[in-house]
Amino acid sequence: QAQLVESGGGLVKPGGSLRLSCATSGFTFVDYYMSWIRLTPGKGLEWVSYLSSSGSVTHYADSVKDRFTISRDNAKNSVYLQMNSLRDEDTAVYYCARRGVIGGVIFFDYWGQGTLVTVSS
Amino acid sequence: DIQMTQSPSSLSASVGDRVTITCRASQSISNYLNWYQWKPGKAPELLIYAASSLQSGVPSRFSGTGSGTDFTLTISGLQPEDFATYYCQRSNSSPFTFGPGTKVEIK
Repeated sequence: QAQLVESGGGLVKPGGSLRLSCATSGFTFVDYYMSWIRLTPGKGLEWVSYLSSSGSVTHYADSVKDRFTISRDNAKNSVYLQMNSLRDEDTAVYYCARRGVIGGVIFFDYWGQGTLVTVSS
Repeated sequence: DIQMTQSPSSLSASVGDRVTITCRASQSISNYLNWYQWKPGKAPELLIYAASSLQSGVPSRFSGTGSGTDFTLTISGLQPEDFATYYCQRSNSSPFTFGPGTKVEIK
């Protein structure tokens, strides 16, 4: 059974930085794209970013482009999200999720429990 | 970008009821539509992918239909553990936009 555990959340001031980590187990990590998705009280679920299995392809939501960077360490079965220039509106629970695909349909089939990021002065 | 809407935003229902949630895309997404269940403090759970395929391990009382721009999630015989928020999500290309959610509450 796949397991994903996020860490690194916390309270940070606007303009600050934070690095989230997601440790995975129970599946062959190198075979899967990984994503970060966030949940905010006002906007619900918002896809943030994804990263290919090799780490060579990345995509970002417009709301975080040029501020957030997704990366992975396949030797450690872990994925990361470096968040810079944080804004109030980045306050959310951040989930890492495994991306699956069947017949061209992409879905997120395993998720972590989430880590809370609060951006406030 | 393609926008996703859901209706209703919330509903009250009783155990045993049949519940239907609607999701609409601002343009055709074929069958590239997934449904998730979220409960506070828990990881979201994939229920349905490709509009109508039941994810392994998900009870058969959950079903999905639709294609193009209009989709539905039906819960046939609501159970106590089904009180949660349900999100649709387009999945043909990024950004993988989610709908705003439908909260199913106990009547």
